[in-house]
Amino acid sequence: QSALTQPRSVSGSPGQSVTISCTGTSSDVGYYNYVSWYQQHPGKAPKLLIYDVSKWPSGVPDRFSGSKSGNSASLTISGLQAEDEADYYCCSYAGSYSYVFGSGTKVTVL
Amino acid sequence: QVQLVQSGAEVKWPGASVRVSCKASAYTFNDHYVNWVRQAPGQGLEWMGIINPFSGSATYAQRFQDRVTMTRDTSTSTVYLDLSSLRFEDTAVYYCARMGISYYLDYWGQGTLVTVSS
Repeated sequence: QSALTQPRSVSGSPGQSVTISCTGTSSDVGYYNYVSWYQQHPGKAPKLLIYDVSKWPSGVPDRFSGSKSGNSASLTISGLQAEDEADYYCCSYAGSYSYVFGSGTKVTVL
Repeated sequence: QVQLVQSGAEVKWPGASVRVSCKASAYTFNDHYVNWVRQAPGQGLEWMGIINPFSGSATYAQRFQDRVTMTRDTSTSTVYLDLSSLRFEDTAVYYCARMGISYYLDYWGQGTLVTVSS
């Protein structure tokens, strides 16, 4: 199973919006509505941001939003804040209790 | 508060084996599958496999099939990752992560650094 494809980096100024893409195949992202997104700050464990494509776990601000179209999913961060500077990973369920992660995207707040 | 607490850092010779533990608390252990995910230095997340704490059955990523074993001890609410025939490239932080009610990982352990070095 190959990693899902994400851009290596995206950047934006405070208050702006940025979108991170996540491209898979018809066997993972395209087949299942089970895409999740994780935020990881340096030296920390990943944190769940979005699950089931567009749902928020308790405590995650709605500045983070997810969507999916075909074999690609996206995470949008609206109203970018300094603390949003981190690495972001998508993840898709791939059937038979297996998962595949994205390659990761570094978000820089200018 | 749900917690997954992992064992401490390990340093191993190439060819050796390592065991990492992950102790769960504050939820019904049998009700949630547990995944193992690793992250090599400066690299992305890599899914290794998943275990059903109720039945003990596990599914492994194909690239680790012949070297990994995941087990659990229901009496202590602990899951274990065993990785054998260690190589330099197995140097990574290993995370356990609980699967939520759907197909996502909602709680993560703090990570265990495994260093393979001669």
